[in-house]
Amino acid sequence: KQEVTQIPAALSVPEGENLVLNCSFTDSAIYNLQWFRQDPGKGLTSLLLIQSSQREQTSGRLNASLDKSSGRSTLYIAASQPGDSATYLCAVRIYGGSQGNLIFGKGTKLSVKP
Amino acid sequence: GAGVSQSPSNKVTEKGKDVELRCDPISGHTALYWYRQSLGQGLEFLIYFQGNSAPDKSGLPSDRFSAERTGGSVSTLTIQRTQQEDSAVYLCASSLQGPAKNIQYFGAGTRLSVL
Repeated sequence: KQEVTQIPAALSVPEGENLVLNCSFTDSAIYNLQWFRQDPGKGLTSLLLIQSSQREQTSGRLNASLDKSSGRSTLYIAASQPGDSATYLCAVRIYGGSQGNLIFGKGTKLSVKP
Repeated sequence: GAGVSQSPSNKVTEKGKDVELRCDPISGHTALYWYRQSLGQGLEFLIYFQGNSAPDKSGLPSDRFSAERTGGSVSTLTIQRTQQEDSAVYLCASSLQGPAKNIQYFGAGTRLSVL
């Protein structure tokens, strides 16, 4: 059974710092991996989607990497800003079995202090 | 353009009552998904629709939960005889086609509180 773990559960950093959020998954047979952002009282916003054949994706100050063999992904945020404060979720889609679902981690709650 | 719309945004109900949650996906999106986010837990998949059919109902936690989608658009999630453990945020998402390569776009969710 695929399990997704995110460490740390919470992180507080001063504005301007570069930071890394970690995601690990137990079964390397994944179709893709996706990073989301969730703001309080709002839905999820997709940040980056990495297909299993890819090793990284970049969008602005965000860079996500994927190492399928070791079951790990990282989300790198450069020059963090208070507006980056949110909960960051990673999710994997598996092959076979259920076609519809993403399997989510419990998230990392990020707080960027001005 | 409009995103995924869910209603109501908040619902408070008494134990034992039935509730209906509504999801209006992005126009043209054929796939629709329901998830549940309980306090302190990750998102839990409930059900997935492709068009009006539900090829994957594996996540529905009990037979008190059901969902339908009509006209390939709006979906309703019904919870019968609600229990306190049903309290959670129910999120809906849609994607252009199937889930394999398509990004899912999420609504803001319905926060359900069962007293």
